Amino acid sequence: DVKVTQSSRYLVKRTGEKVFLECVQDMDHENMFWYRQDPGLGLRLIYFSYDVKMKEKGDIPEGYSVSREKKERFSLILESASTNQTSMYLCASSISGRGFFGPGTRLTVL
Amino acid sequence: AQRVTQPEKLLSVFKGAPVELKCNYSYSGSPELFWYVQYSRQRLQLLLRHISRESIKGFTADLNKGETSFHLKKPFAQEEDSAMYYCALSGLNTDKLIFGTGTRLQVFP
Repeated sequence: DVKVTQSSRYLVKRTGEKVFLECVQDMDHENMFWYRQDPGLGLRLIYFSYDVKMKEKGDIPEGYSVSREKKERFSLILESASTNQTSMYLCASSISGRGFFGPGTRLTVL
Repeated sequence: AQRVTQPEKLLSVFKGAPVELKCNYSYSGSPELFWYVQYSRQRLQLLLRHISRESIKGFTADLNKGETSFHLKKPFAQEEDSAMYYCALSGLNTDKLIFGTGTRLQVFP
């Protein structure tokens, strides 16, 4: 079974802090994604990576950056967290269009 | 622009009733369409994809290119079908997955 793991299930940070969310997949997938999931808004794509060091902005990249130094790891960075970034963050990897999701990180920014 | 629209936020039915969760899309080209499901306290997971033309847990979905729709159907809903359902698409030349806003299905006993 494909496994996608995220470094934290719950995270509480303060406004202005730099936040790192880590995601690791073990199936050698080239594609990895970061989404945020908010009630009524569904899953919105933040960033997409289709190879090591390759990235593409999604629909809501503002306030976020990403890093993909190794194929199995895709990091989401909030340079200066703000309260409107309080959300559930989902990481996924995919192959042939089929996505495999992590358990999610619920981030609260105070 | 790529877009997936799910017009219903909530769909409530009684056990045994038919269910149809609507999904419309816009995409310039031939997309691949998916339905994902998230049960309470579980990960989002793939339910079915249009190219497979399969029935999973009694659910089917037919791609209608003329109406740009990919509605999810089940003839007889079960309580265990209660979950959040997301329609998604990706392009044939890219694996970027775009999701709709989701529909919560509640099946009452």
